[in-house]
Amino acid sequence: QKEVEQDPGPLSVPEGAIVSLNCTYSNSAFQYFMWYRQYSRKGPELLMYTYSSGNKEDGRFTAQVDKSSKYISLFIRDSQPSDSATYLCAMRDRGSTLGRLYFGRGTQLTVWP
Amino acid sequence: SQTIHQWPATLVQPVGSPLSLECTVEGTSNPNLYWYRQAAGRGLQLLFYSVGIGQISSEVPQNLSASRPQDRQFILSSKKLLLSDSGFYLCAYPGQSTGELFFGEGSRLTVL
Repeated sequence: QKEVEQDPGPLSVPEGAIVSLNCTYSNSAFQYFMWYRQYSRKGPELLMYTYSSGNKEDGRFTAQVDKSSKYISLFIRDSQPSDSATYLCAMRDRGSTLGRLYFGRGTQLTVWP
Repeated sequence: SQTIHQWPATLVQPVGSPLSLECTVEGTSNPNLYWYRQAAGRGLQLLFYSVGIGQISSEVPQNLSASRPQDRQFILSSKKLLLSDSGFYLCAYPGQSTGELFFGEGSRLTVL
C-alpha cells in the first residue's frame, strides 16, 4: 500500500462547479499537508499549505485536513477554465528531512466553459 | 528572494548517450536539494536528495547518479541513457521553516 493515495481522475466539470479533490494516507505521523497545482509541461506550484487538522481558506480554494480519518481535501469554488491542471497532494512528518515530502499521484482536472 | 533554475528545458537523446541536467538555486545558502522524475501519466518519483556539498542520498536504484559540487548546484547524470529514462525531471528546494517544496520549471528528456 502506498503511503499517499490519490485518484488520478480525469475529472471534468463545467465552469462554475464546485470541485472536490481528495487524498488518503496511511502514516499517522504526517502533520504537514500541501496541495500543488501543475499546469501541463510546467513544474508544480504550491497552492495551499496546512498544519495538522482543520480548514484553511484562500480565495476560491479551501483545504481540509481530517487526521482522525487520514483524509485531506481541496475544494475549488466557482471553478474556472484556468483551474484546469493536475492537482497533487503532498505531506510530511515533523521528524523527516526538510523537504522530504510524500506525494499523491495527482488528479487531472478539466474545467470546460 | 529565492529562485531556482534548471537547464536544459528540453532535450532529445539517443539510447546509450550520456546525460547531464543542471539545477541551481539563488537567494539561499546550503539548501536541501531534490531531484524528481515524472513519467508520462505518472506521479512524482523521488530520485535523489542532498543536504549539503558532496552529500547524496539515492531513493531508487537506477541508471542515474547525482552530484552536488557546489552549495547551490545539483547535477543529475547518466553515463548511458535507457528508453525508460525518458520523463520530466524536476529539481526542488524546501522552505526553511515549513518544509514545503519549491520546484523549478523542469527538464523534459526524450530518449529515442
